Amino acid sequence: GIQVEQSPPDLILQEGANSTLRCNFSDSVNNLQWFHQNPWGQLINLFYIPSGTKQNGRLSATTVATERYSLLYISSSQTTDSGVYFCAVGGSGTYKYIFGTGTRLKVLA
Amino acid sequence: DGGITQSPKYLFRKEGQNVTLSCEQNLNHDAMYWYRQDPGQGLRLIYYSQIVNDFQKGDIAEGYSVSREKKESFPLTVTSAQKNPTAFYLCASSTRQNLGLSEAFFGQGTRLTVV
Repeated sequence: GIQVEQSPPDLILQEGANSTLRCNFSDSVNNLQWFHQNPWGQLINLFYIPSGTKQNGRLSATTVATERYSLLYISSSQTTDSGVYFCAVGGSGTYKYIFGTGTRLKVLA
Repeated sequence: DGGITQSPKYLFRKEGQNVTLSCEQNLNHDAMYWYRQDPGQGLRLIYYSQIVNDFQKGDIAEGYSVSREKKESFPLTVTSAQKNPTAFYLCASSTRQNLGLSEAFFGQGTRLTVV
C-alpha cells in the first residue's frame, strides 16, 4: 500500500516565524488532504489539494503529484497554530485515506 | 448547522463489555468512515461504508462491528474481542465518487478508556 511520510516530526517556532511542512508519498494518488488536529483532538480541514496550489489566509499548500510530495506553508505563525498537522492521501479507485504520522508544531509566544 | 456529531465525548468500558459509539451526519454524504488514533500516531481505518446497508473492513477491523441502516448514521461497536480498545475514535464522512475519494470531514471524536 501507499506509504506516507511527514517531516519534520516536531517543530518549535517563535510567534511570527514561517515554516514549511512536507508530505512524501510512495505511489501516485488522486486525493490529498491536509488537516490540523487541535489540542482537543478535532481534525480541522485545511486543504483538499490533489494537485496544484491553494491559499487560505496565512496558510498555503502545493501538491506536485508527479513528484509525489505536498508542502504546507504557514506564514506569520501564531500560538493558535500549535497542534499536529496531518497529511492524508488516497489512490485511484480506493475508498480510504492513508494518514502520515503527523508534524507536531508548537508556536511559542 | 451541518456537520458530524459523535457521542459520547468520553466513554469508559469495563473489561469484557461491548460498547457502541455513535456517529450522525446531516451533510447528506453517502460515505462514512471510522478511524482509530493511538497516542502520537496517525489515523488507521477500521470500517467504511459507501452506501446504506453496505460496509467494508478497513485495516484494523478485528474486534469491531458496524451497521449502516440509515444514511445519516454509522455506529461503531467495540466488542470484548478487541484486545486493546483504549484509543481515540474518529468518524468521518464524504460524498461518494465513482473513482474513489472526495474531501472528508471529521467529527470531534470519542475517547474510549478501558477501566
